[in-house]
Amino acid sequence: GAVVSQHPSWVICKSGTSVKIECRSLDFQATTMFWYRQFPKQSLMLMATSNEGSKATYEQGVEKDKFLINHASLTLSTLTVTSAHPEDSSFYICSARDPSGRAYEQYFGPGTRLTVT
Amino acid sequence: AQSVTQPDIHITVSEGASLELRCNYSYGATPYLFWYVQSPGQGLQLLLKYFSGDTLVQGIKGFEAEFKRSQSSFNLRKPSVHWSDAAEYFCAVGSFSGTASKLTFGTGTRLQVTL
Repeated sequence: GAVVSQHPSWVICKSGTSVKIECRSLDFQATTMFWYRQFPKQSLMLMATSNEGSKATYEQGVEKDKFLINHASLTLSTLTVTSAHPEDSSFYICSARDPSGRAYEQYFGPGTRLTVT
Repeated sequence: AQSVTQPDIHITVSEGASLELRCNYSYGATPYLFWYVQSPGQGLQLLLKYFSGDTLVQGIKGFEAEFKRSQSSFNLRKPSVHWSDAAEYFCAVGSFSGTASKLTFGTGTRLQVTL
């Protein structure tokens, strides 16, 4: 089956620093990847849709300058949280769409827990 | 705009008992519906999906769901719950926005299983 990995699985950083999270599709080429944010005991909120070779599409209310998304290859998308602050602490989950699969099917990574101190 | 409602925030069932998790959706077109399960600190695993055809769909781990258009519902069921089923369950609807398809999730139902 389609596998999506994320790295790191958890990260602690100091306020004001930047942190990069990687999302990889391991056994398929993902033209589209998605980044979600999940607060404790809450649902997943879509942050942005990332298409290989083009700029990401951000959901309303998501700061594109704070959450930089790069989808440079068909198997890798990165989310960089710039100048992180404690309120950015959250669980970030990526997903990828296999273009050979059916529409709307997404395969999810295991998530990255970010703690900003 | 599309939306998903999961009216039960938390459900507790005894091991071996049957389970039904409710999901109601709002979407103008034919819905593509999904159920995902999330264990603590983990990503999401797809349990089952409905695109078209038979309104009763079978999934992994003994789960099934029934699509009822008249009720805008897609409830998840399992005849006999196992302790390992304790997790968070999310219902989602697929929609098309601009040039991309995306998923909209409900708020989730936390399932607790007592022995």
